[in-house]
Amino acid sequence: EVQLVESGGGLVKPGGSLRLSCAASGFIFTNAWISWVRQAPGKGLEWVGRVKSKADGGTTDYAAPVKGRFTVSTDDSKTTLFLQMESLTTEDTAVYYCATEASYGFVYWGQGALVTVSS
Amino acid sequence: DIQMTQSPSSVSASVGDRVTITCRASQGISTWLAWYQQKPGKAPKLLIYAASSLQSGVPSRFSGSGSGTDFTLTISKLQPDDFATYYCQQTNSFLTLTFGGGTKVEIK
Repeated sequence: EVQLVESGGGLVKPGGSLRLSCAASGFIFTNAWISWVRQAPGKGLEWVGRVKSKADGGTTDYAAPVKGRFTVSTDDSKTTLFLQMESLTTEDTAVYYCATEASYGFVYWGQGALVTVSS
Repeated sequence: DIQMTQSPSSVSASVGDRVTITCRASQGISTWLAWYQQKPGKAPKLLIYAASSLQSGVPSRFSGSGSGTDFTLTISKLQPDDFATYYCQQTNSFLTLTFGGGTKVEIK
């Protein structure tokens, strides 16, 4: 059974940093594309960034609003995905989901981790 | 980036009704389109992919159609479990992945 479990959410001040984790199981981690998708309170879904499979180079891509501030990385030995977030603003307040990305959509999702940026 | 525009933003319907949601892309995306259902406090669930293919385990009352810029999600006979918010998403991984703004299906 595929499982994705996010952790690391919490309250952070504007300008601060936070690192989210996504512990994955039930599939071959290095064969997967995995994305971060966020949802601000009461708003819609927004793709944040991804890491591609090792076979596809293991490279990362980011949405424009987070490029240069957020970094997606992995610890393959622990089958864990990370989202390092820097220079946070109130606009980054959201529930952050990790999700496996197939060519046709996001198939498996975690339960989400709430990040609140507030002074 | 390709913009995805959904309409309506909300719809009130009764159990047994037929509900249609539309999604328009700002440029042609062939059939690179997925539909998701999201219930409050839960992660989205993939319903339809490649514009018209039903994801495994999804009831057949859900169907999708369209290609290019105009797409439709139809729920043929609304069930109590279907009251939720629905999102379209363009899935061409060579581009920034984008979602529509969502359509909330509410009880009439």
